[in-house]
Amino acid sequence: AQKVTQAQTEISVVEKEDVTLDCVYETRDTTYYLFWYKQPPSGELVFLIRRNSFDEQNEISGRYSWNFQKSTSSFNFTITASQVVDSAVYFCALEEGDTGRRALTFGSGTRLQVQP
Amino acid sequence: GAGVSQSPSNKVTEKGKDVELRCDPISGHTALYWYRQRLGQGLEFLIYFQGNSAPDKSGLPSDRFSAERTGESVSTLTIQRTQQEDSAVYLCASSPLGGVIGQPQHFGDGTRLSIL
Repeated sequence: AQKVTQAQTEISVVEKEDVTLDCVYETRDTTYYLFWYKQPPSGELVFLIRRNSFDEQNEISGRYSWNFQKSTSSFNFTITASQVVDSAVYFCALEEGDTGRRALTFGSGTRLQVQP
Repeated sequence: GAGVSQSPSNKVTEKGKDVELRCDPISGHTALYWYRQRLGQGLEFLIYFQGNSAPDKSGLPSDRFSAERTGESVSTLTIQRTQQEDSAVYLCASSPLGGVIGQPQHFGDGTRLSIL
C-alpha cells in the first residue's frame, strides 16, 4: 500500500537559517507523482511543486529547492535563508498512476516555525 | 478568478444530527475531491468525482458518509447521525481534468465541523 512519511513533526529555526523538510514515500507503482503543499495559519493548502517518477532532476525556485531520489524513495524540500512568512505546515503527498486512482496520499505534515 | 469555495466555514452540531457540507469547485474543473483533516494530522482521502460520477469512494469511512455532485459543479458531502469522531476539517479540492495523473489539486479553505 502507498505511504508517505514525514518524520519531522515540528522544526523551529531562526530567520535566515536554511532548513530541510524530509519526505519518504512507499509505492509499488512505476508511474507516480510527488507533491509539496504549504498550509499557512490561514488554513488553505497551497500547491508548491510536483515531480513525476521519471524525472529525477532537482528543481530550484527562488529560495525553494527540491531533491528527488528514487534510490532512497525520498523527496526532500529545502528552504534557503528562511523567512518568518515561511512559517506553516508543509505536506508531502503521493499520487499513484498505475491503478488510475486519483487520490493524494498525504504525509502527516511538518510544522515549520521561523523565529525573527 | 474564484477559487474553490466551501460552506459553511464552521459548523457546530449535536451528536446524532445530520450535516451537509458544500463545495463549489473552480469553474470548468471536472475533477473534485473531498478530504478530511483531523487536528494535527495529514489529509485523508474520502471520495473523488469525475464529472458527476464517483469512480473512487474508497475513503468514505462508513455508510453514514455520502456525497453527490450535480451539473459537474457543486458537490455536497452528507454525514448522517454524526459522531464525535467526525469532528475535523473537511477539505474540498478540484483539478481541471479528471483521469489525468499529476494535476495539482486546488483546495478550498475547508469546513471545520465540531460535534458536541
